[in-house]
Amino acid sequence: DGGITQSPKYLFRKEGQNVTLSCEQNLNHDAMYWYRQDPGQGLRLIYYSQIVNDFQKGDIAEGYSVSREKKESFPLTVTSAQKNPTAFYLCASRGGGLATSDTQYFGPGTRLTVL
Amino acid sequence: DAKTTQPTSMDCAEGRAANLPCNHSTISGNEYVYWYRQIHSQGPQYIIHGLKNNETNEMASLIITEDRKSSTLILPHATLRDTAVYYCIVSSGGSNYKLTFGKGTLLTVNP
Repeated sequence: DGGITQSPKYLFRKEGQNVTLSCEQNLNHDAMYWYRQDPGQGLRLIYYSQIVNDFQKGDIAEGYSVSREKKESFPLTVTSAQKNPTAFYLCASRGGGLATSDTQYFGPGTRLTVL
Repeated sequence: DAKTTQPTSMDCAEGRAANLPCNHSTISGNEYVYWYRQIHSQGPQYIIHGLKNNETNEMASLIITEDRKSSTLILPHATLRDTAVYYCIVSSGGSNYKLTFGKGTLLTVNP
């Protein structure tokens, strides 16, 4: 089944702990993205990567880190420096390299709750 | 990227057409109009996109005005499963391609 997988669907962590969210895609897409969504709000871009071994900060990168060692994988680490980490995290990917009008496809999301 | 304005919520009767408006008066010539929807607690789903011409696919139709300052997403025969938040986004793509999601329109399809 082709697509984007995020695991786990629900994640609980204690305050002060780092946590890594998984995102894998088998669509052979070059670009991958991480968004955060808070209740009743739209999505906000955390980080994105256009190609392997390269990534850029989005609008709310503070307290987060990413890596892009493989084309298929773009894990997001929520560090203890992120002041309000409880949120719904969405990963997306896009094909076509730097081409315009390419569509982003989203994974099912991970709901992170920090206790 | 240009900003969009959408109504906060809309209602539609099951089986009828749902027409969701979007204003994007500051859109520039190279920006596309995208529509996504998000069912509660799921990832957004791509619906359709367009540049100048009207577009249609198996899910919906997109009507873009001639001056490109507004558009309408049409779901021709709404079902209860179409209840979702619908996002209208404009983006130029290119090397800094990213989508900026607003709060969207909550469409409620009623039986």
